[in-house]
Amino acid sequence: LAKTTQPISMDSYEGQEVNITCSHNNIATNDYITWYQQFPSQGPRFIIQGYKTKVTNEVASLFIPADRKSSTLSLPRVSLSDTAVYYCLVGREGNTPLVFGKGTRLSVIA
Amino acid sequence: GAVVSQHPSRVICKSGTSVKIECRSLDFQATTMFWYRQFPKKSLMLMATSNEGSKATYEQGVEKDKFLINHASLTLSTLTVTSAHPEDSSFYICSASEMGLAGGLYTDTQYFGPGTRLTVL
Repeated sequence: LAKTTQPISMDSYEGQEVNITCSHNNIATNDYITWYQQFPSQGPRFIIQGYKTKVTNEVASLFIPADRKSSTLSLPRVSLSDTAVYYCLVGREGNTPLVFGKGTRLSVIA
Repeated sequence: GAVVSQHPSRVICKSGTSVKIECRSLDFQATTMFWYRQFPKKSLMLMATSNEGSKATYEQGVEKDKFLINHASLTLSTLTVTSAHPEDSSFYICSASEMGLAGGLYTDTQYFGPGTRLTVL
């Protein structure tokens, strides 16, 4: 599966929109992109998943350009409770295991 | 989203004892579950892939005789840490896959349990 690269950390003020970009240059045709959020001492929580273009749900948007070599997770109007580690992962149909990178540690400041 | 539970949430045991951790998919059936461990401020590391009705597949460097995995039903996988030692102290997390659709492509979305904190004294 494609290796992913994300910024190690990001800071943001409350109320701002946060965009976290992930690079996955070697993504294959049938690979899809999934983002998770993890708080300390908790399991990762599913945020959003997509294959191409744009996906939006009640908590986030996921933008995937045509070449699919990167993706951007957009969190609108973050709050202090959004302080967490965010992981971008590339998955493939067939119950293949996910390989976690280092993730992005987002710190939201009041 | 789908719900995965783990039991216990935390366990403290003496060195040399065995500890069993349960992972359940509550509202869906999962033919495949995964086990991860996570050390403080580190990322998740895949330990093994657990397939219902067959032997688990272990990642390189993970001792299969030490970390026994049983996936006896479509909703339950167990991880037993045998003869636990202090270096086995870690946060153990399981996940289960549910098939869905994203952009017209079948996907396997992994949903994670809340984790089990194991402390070996």
